[in-house]
Amino acid sequence: ETGVTQTPRHLVMGMTNKKSLKCEQHLGHNAMYWYKQSAKKPLELMFVYSLEERVENNSVPSRFSPECPNSSHLFLHLHTLQPEDSALYLCASSPGRQLGEQYFGPGTRLTVT
Amino acid sequence: KQEVTQIPAALSVPEGENLVLNCSFTDSAIYNLQWFRQDPGKGLTSLLLIQSSQREQTSGRLNASLDKSSGRSTLYIAASQPGDSATYLCAPNTGFQKLVFGTGTRLLVSP
Repeated sequence: ETGVTQTPRHLVMGMTNKKSLKCEQHLGHNAMYWYKQSAKKPLELMFVYSLEERVENNSVPSRFSPECPNSSHLFLHLHTLQPEDSALYLCASSPGRQLGEQYFGPGTRLTVT
Repeated sequence: KQEVTQIPAALSVPEGENLVLNCSFTDSAIYNLQWFRQDPGKGLTSLLLIQSSQREQTSGRLNASLDKSSGRSTLYIAASQPGDSATYLCAPNTGFQKLVFGTGTRLLVSP
């Protein structure tokens, strides 16, 4: 595997379910990010992790819970979501938090029913 | 608060044309700026990164320019091809890898 991978690619869940999104980067980077992309809206930064420590949380509801067990893996745990949470969730990584490019994964298309 | 505007919102051209996509941002205090392409329902592919000290960056048929003081960047695509059809996004980095995105330019290149 190369670059940034995300699983699953598609997810349909009910409002009472609990599920997790997984992201893995194979680039040796130290920073990882979760973004949300809703229809017709710009990408919104949700969380930033640097060296496994959460350094940013952009007022995201507590029904989204991130986890970064090591610098290569990032999870987004989901519970009691709302239909308006349906979106494309994108993971990205960068060498560090100062310089360099961000590389994105293919995304998870989430539908909340 | 940084705001990003991309013009035009959509563009449809015949194959072979040279194109200019525009990006403007309100806060000129940026560290760098990235251009991405996004195919429908897919993730983002990084095209070019321009550092704040640079004026231009080139990759193949793509050339991006940056005028930080006026809050503008342009992406020039030479000899467009149907495979260039995608949404193009610019994202200035306001520090600590905080990328701020616009809603993009949706490009369609017809054969």
